[in-house]
Amino acid sequence: EDQVTQSPEALRLQEGESSSLNCSYTVSGLRGLFWYRQDPGKGPEFLFTLYSAGEEKEKERLKATLTKKESFLHITAPKPEDSATYLCAVHLPRGFQKLVFGTGTRLLVSP
Amino acid sequence: GAVVSQHPSRVICKSGTSVKIECRSLDFQATTMFWYRQFPKQSLMLMATSNEGSKATYEQGVEKDKFLINHASLTLSTLTVTSAHPEDSSFYICSAWGTSVTDTQYFGPGTRLTVL
Repeated sequence: EDQVTQSPEALRLQEGESSSLNCSYTVSGLRGLFWYRQDPGKGPEFLFTLYSAGEEKEKERLKATLTKKESFLHITAPKPEDSATYLCAVHLPRGFQKLVFGTGTRLLVSP
Repeated sequence: GAVVSQHPSRVICKSGTSVKIECRSLDFQATTMFWYRQFPKQSLMLMATSNEGSKATYEQGVEKDKFLINHASLTLSTLTVTSAHPEDSSFYICSAWGTSVTDTQYFGPGTRLTVL
């Protein structure tokens, strides 16, 4: 069964305290792994797409990496405005381009 | 970037009435759109896949007759919640995977439905 698991469920950081969020998956024939940011009461905002093991992408304080079994979202020197829920999703190799989402990590960055 | 809009952003209705939510891709064509439901502090649950010009594909456990989906054009999909009840209250989000953008699904801002 295709599964996506994110950890931790919630994370509280001090401003400037770097950390990583994890997304592990069990999908055969991964077509892509996506990271989104979601603010309360809003739709998810696209961050990154990763396609193959070893791939890395960066945007400001965020860096996403991918292995054959998991992806990490590294947050370097976070600021309070980075507080949000971070969702990862995998693109299945079949079935109308569906994405399977993890349960998310709620990040709170305190000043 | 690709923009997806939803209307309305918030709706309150009485139990037993029907509510229609629109999802539009503003700057690209979307042959496939998706409808999700999200409960507080939970992740997105895919309800159905909407295909332009054909019937929607519903996920297991989603009532087709209750959640009517129409994808009449390459830029518009609608979700109608029929005979809404309080348990249908939720945050509904649509997304689109277009023919002119690559790499991801782009999401609308969501619609908060409250059924009294």
